Amino acid sequence: GAVVSQHPSWVICKSGTSVKIECRSLDFQATTMFWYRQFPKQSLMLMATSNEGSKATYEQGVEKDKFLINHASLTLSTLTVTSAHPEDSSFYICSARLADGSAQYFGPGTRLLVL
Amino acid sequence: RKEVEQDPGPFNVPEGATVAFNCTYSNSASQSFFWYRQDCRKEPKLLMSVYSSGNEDGRFTAQLNRASQYISLLIRDSKLSDSATYLCVVNMRTTSGTYKYIFGTGTRLKVLA
Repeated sequence: GAVVSQHPSWVICKSGTSVKIECRSLDFQATTMFWYRQFPKQSLMLMATSNEGSKATYEQGVEKDKFLINHASLTLSTLTVTSAHPEDSSFYICSARLADGSAQYFGPGTRLLVL
Repeated sequence: RKEVEQDPGPFNVPEGATVAFNCTYSNSASQSFFWYRQDCRKEPKLLMSVYSSGNEDGRFTAQLNRASQYISLLIRDSKLSDSATYLCVVNMRTTSGTYKYIFGTGTRLKVLA
């Protein structure tokens, strides 16, 4: 299947710090990427849809000013968690959809721990 | 009612057993369906797409019943390595005309030696 990378895989930071997570599609171009969050023993929850060259579409209840998304190229989307707090600690996973919409492939995820 | 519902399990089965997971979805306009596998502390990985005609991939068989809005996954001859959480995923059309994946909470499978 298609390959999606995420960086970093682990982040431990102090409260109030901003954290940037990168998501790259390595062997295909993705006009649409997705950002999910998963808390322990819960399902993946879609945070936002990242569209190349335009503004992201956020799900209800997700603060767009706190979770900044940039999708500047067909292979890169970034999520910045601004002024992170302990309750933002979670597993953040990105995915990229194939152009034909046949499937989505997920990055390996980023574990964020805010102290 | 949740958009995608699964029995969380866990399903504890002996090696070699056959096990079936079910999933129901609420939005009849759903476009496509998938089963993903997620290992502990890892990202989901595509196991197989699900088609109305049913499809099989080795020991895995997936079925879709659009009339009942029901999806199933059958695993035959379970292996220890099949232990994971199986996520039912529905690709739904939104009111704005775009599509997004909706995940079930997953069903945990433990295959015992």
